[in-house]
Formats: sequence, C-alpha cells, structure tokens
Amino acid sequence: QLQLQESGPGLVKPSETLSLTCTVSGGSISSRSYHWAWIRQPPGKGLEWIGNIYYSGSTYYNPSLKSRVSMSVDTSKNQFSLRLSSVTAADTAVYFCATAEMAPRPRFDPWGQGTLVTVSS
Amino acid sequence: EIVLTQSPDTLSLSPGERATLSCRASQSVSSSYLVWYQQKPGQAPRLLIYGASSRATGIPERFSGSGSGTDFTLIISRLEPEDFAVYYCQLAWTFGQGTKVEVK
Repeated sequence: QLQLQESGPGLVKPSETLSLTCTVSGGSISSRSYHWAWIRQPPGKGLEWIGNIYYSGSTYYNPSLKSRVSMSVDTSKNQFSLRLSSVTAADTAVYFCATAEMAPRPRFDPWGQGTLVTVSS
Repeated sequence: EIVLTQSPDTLSLSPGERATLSCRASQSVSSSYLVWYQQKPGQAPRLLIYGASSRATGIPERFSGSGSGTDFTLIISRLEPEDFAVYYCQLAWTFGQGTKVEVK
C-alpha cells in the first residue's frame, strides 16, 4: 500500500525558493501506473493542483504557476520534489503530495498528510 | 479552461438525514474524469468516488455518485457523525470550491 510523506522547511522568506520533497513508500516511484502530484491548499481555502511528474521526468504544470515551478524525481531514493521560486505570501499553504492515477479514470489517491509552508520574513 | 462550481457552499443537516451535493462543470465533460473527495480539518483529502460513480476502496455504501455531461451529484444517504466535513469535486486538474456539510 502506497504511503507518501512530505518534508521540507516550514518557513520560507519572500522572493526565495520553496523546496519540498515527497518520499514514497510501499511501492516504486518508477511504476508505470502512476504519476506523482503536488497540490496545495491556502489556509481556509480550496485545493489547487500544482503539477504532476512521471518517473521518466515528464512534467505537467498548472499554467498559472508554470513560470515558477519545477519538479524532479529521484528514483534511487523513491522521492520526487517540488521547487517554487520567487515566493510571496500568497504561496503560504499546506502542500500535499499525492499519487496520480491516470486513465481511464484519473484520481489522486493516496495523499500525504501535508506540510504547512509559511512565506514570511 | 473548465470551471467546476459546487453547490451549496454549506449544507446544514442532522445525523441520519440525506445530503445531496452538486458539482456543475462549465462545459460538458466525460464522467470518467469526475472525482469526489472528503476532507476533515487538519487532514488530507480522502478519495470517495472516481469515474463519477465508482466508490473507492473502503468507502461505505451510503456514499454514491452520479451524473453526466455538466451536472454531477454526490449523495450521502444517511449522515453519520463522521461524515460532517468538506467535500470537493475534481475534474482533471481542476477542483471545485468545496461544500461544507455541517451539523444543524
């Protein structure tokens, strides 16, 4: 059974780069069955998809964040990572990593527990 | 870009009552892509329904999904105390704004 766990700094300064890692256990990140996703949720607000990455390194980003987002995968560590540059207070959110099962009926399952990242000086 | 609009924003009901949640897409979509999640405070979303009507593993039968085209519905037949939460629909990479089911 897949389990995901986010890790990374809980506080990032404005204009700097947010970096998070998601460690996958209970299965291989190289599985051809899944993509791997980042989703965020500002405090008290709804969910926003950030992007997906495949084990091969192929990425799909939310157009609204594309200029600031990069994702990578480390198959040797069974991890994938998120970098979000030039952050502002609007990037303060709980960041979730999730398994993205694709066609024919796509869904995000399971999710990590989430990690709160606050952007503040 | 497809927009998902959920209604109502808040649903106030008592345990044992039936909850009907709506998710409307701005254009016709394949039901294969419509997903419902439940989120409780401080927790990650939990997959309930995918493909508009397929219950995820371990999800009780009181949860059911239906719909096609632009209109989709999540029904909780009899609310249990643990069902009071926020529910999100999702289509591809877009989420609805959520419906909060609260105790009346």
